[in-house]
Amino acid sequence: DIVLTQSPLSLPVTPGEPASISCRSSQSLVRSTGYIYLDWYLQKPGQSPQLLIYLGSNRASGVPDRFSGSGSGTDFTLTIDRVEAEDVGVYYCMQTQETRTFGQGTKVEIK
Amino acid sequence: QVQLQESGPGLVQPSEALSLTCTVSGDSVSSNTYYWAWIRRPSGKGLEWIGYIHNSGSTNYNPSLMRRVTLSLDTSENQLSLKMNSVTAADTAVYFCARLTPLRRTGLTYYHSLDVWGQGTTVTVSS
Repeated sequence: DIVLTQSPLSLPVTPGEPASISCRSSQSLVRSTGYIYLDWYLQKPGQSPQLLIYLGSNRASGVPDRFSGSGSGTDFTLTIDRVEAEDVGVYYCMQTQETRTFGQGTKVEIK
Repeated sequence: QVQLQESGPGLVQPSEALSLTCTVSGDSVSSNTYYWAWIRRPSGKGLEWIGYIHNSGSTNYNPSLMRRVTLSLDTSENQLSLKMNSVTAADTAVYFCARLTPLRRTGLTYYHSLDVWGQGTTVTVSS
């Protein structure tokens, strides 16, 4: 199984400030085509998870442009340019290179 | 607008079988475009992949669960189902169904992501 390790596991943030979450994979998530087989999801309190980023860096439909995904090989980052109060929740990376696995989740909360 | 709604027993006895159903509206489980997936969030833990199924019969399972889990589609009822045998307290979780949608062509295949989720159903395994 591919193991994804997220850090930090808890992230207090200040509205208006940037925030970033790391996701490290036990194996490369880059295919020979150059595509990155990684998604990012956010589960807001009391809601189902929602897709934020697919193929490592592509924003899903309706996702604000303050969210961006980057990285290569085994190291990936989700960045929020300026955090808003509505961004609180648990963020997960998920690899799709092999049978899907999730990271442990990063809980983002307002300071 | 596509909607998914999970349903199930809520409480299951240890060692018994768990059966969950996800009713799809606004789309068809017999479509060849989408795959249909199950994910769970055990109490106090993060998300865990269970597996997916396609109308063609193609399936994919989490290796740690595959000996106990069977996914199926009921095209007449437009539902997907999950059956898990020999449950224990570790199977206590919120169970989600979701749609895997092709978002981008990547060479000879398409890349699929979980773009529509149900609201989840809570399952407690306890005597």
